[in-house]
Amino acid sequence: GNSVTQMEGPVTLSEEAFLTINCTYTATGYPSLFWYVQYPGEGLQLLLKATKADDKGSNKGFEATYRKETTSFHLEKGSVQVSDSAVYFCALSEGGNNRLAFGKGNQVVVIP
Amino acid sequence: GAGVSQTPSNKVTEKGKYVELRCDPISGHTALYWYRQSLGQGPEFLIYFQGTGAADDSGLPNDRFFAVRPEGSVSTLKIQRTERGDSAVYLCASSPRTKGSEQFFGPGTRLTVL
Repeated sequence: GNSVTQMEGPVTLSEEAFLTINCTYTATGYPSLFWYVQYPGEGLQLLLKATKADDKGSNKGFEATYRKETTSFHLEKGSVQVSDSAVYFCALSEGGNNRLAFGKGNQVVVIP
Repeated sequence: GAGVSQTPSNKVTEKGKYVELRCDPISGHTALYWYRQSLGQGPEFLIYFQGTGAADDSGLPNDRFFAVRPEGSVSTLKIQRTERGDSAVYLCASSPRTKGSEQFFGPGTRLTVL
């Protein structure tokens, strides 16, 4: 079935560093792809999305491009801030009911 | 406007007991989803409602789990004969329609089964 794989382990980096979180997916059809973020003490929020191949989603300085040839949707930000510390989840929607399949998530800690 | 709300925020129960978890979706949202998130994992789909009917319950782990949405708004997830393995955060999400819509998540109910 459809699934999402995120790179292992937490990510710790300094303020203003470049952030990349890898995400690859397996799907039988043409899913929509998402990044959700969970800030400390808050619920899941949609960060960005892309609905077809070569689409680029962007929000709050974050970007991700839907790459069908490599089945990837890597998240990037050029200069992170302490306020970007959160858990980031890659997800895809499958089927007509739009149910989401999530990766395990990556904890990102930005140090001042 | 108000977001998705879930009650209680925390629930501690004993093995074998029955629990109900409530979700209040955003007003007017016809689609409602339940997910379960275990420690260190991403959320896993449980069940999806379109209006009052459960359109997809393929994610429910077994027949101890059941959910209803009698009037097409509030939903209740019911777990019978709870087991320690049911301990997790139960998330509810709603969206105005299905395909292509963003899902708005509630803060979750943390269930602990002792």
